[in-house]
Amino acid sequence: QKEVEQNSGPLSVPEGAIASLNCTYSDRGSQSFFWYRQYSGKSPELIMSIYSNGDKEDGRFTAQLNKASQYVSLLIRDSQPSDSATYLCAVNRSGYSTLTFGKGTMLLVSP
Amino acid sequence: KAGVTQTPRYLIKTRGQQVTLSCSPISGHRSVSWYQQTPGQGLQFLFEYFSETQRNKGNFPGRFSGRQFSNSRSEMNVSTLELGDSALYLCASSPPGYEQYFGPGTRLTVT
Repeated sequence: QKEVEQNSGPLSVPEGAIASLNCTYSDRGSQSFFWYRQYSGKSPELIMSIYSNGDKEDGRFTAQLNKASQYVSLLIRDSQPSDSATYLCAVNRSGYSTLTFGKGTMLLVSP
Repeated sequence: KAGVTQTPRYLIKTRGQQVTLSCSPISGHRSVSWYQQTPGQGLQFLFEYFSETQRNKGNFPGRFSGRQFSNSRSEMNVSTLELGDSALYLCASSPPGYEQYFGPGTRLTVT
């Protein structure tokens, strides 16, 4: 049983559009949620963390968390071709530092 | 601060051999986690070390082992390599809290 699910994509958006990436998780004990960006051939880079219900904004990125629906999303405003990458959703349980990752959504931003 | 470093970056080994990978965490980070990334399985947790003690272990065979030294540097070892062990091995270090920062990875190819 998959614990963290993401649409594999690719999600294609034009430059300047809003990209919406979604993630669901099965463990109701999950307390911390993270979005990583991974360029092809590179390692994952942490771009957002969110711990409580609601929205968290950082520049062009907004993370949204709904624990009741077990749903996390990442919005990227004004998408740029340089945002083209695979976005990984990760969660962990309170008291545990181990991260469980989804398989990632590939985002393609066309000029 | 310098980021997480991993050595070597690339490695080619033959089936049956063993390999040791090294990771130096960000200064001040005491937790080190190891992950295996393959195209089919995505990112999978191997183990986590904190203050020289293995705190968590993923669902991998005993051929995979690790350790952590007093300076927080960590090594992982894979014995009796199999073709399926070909993967990107990622080390992540973590400060108190749950955000994890990844190193560049070691690309292991088993022939």
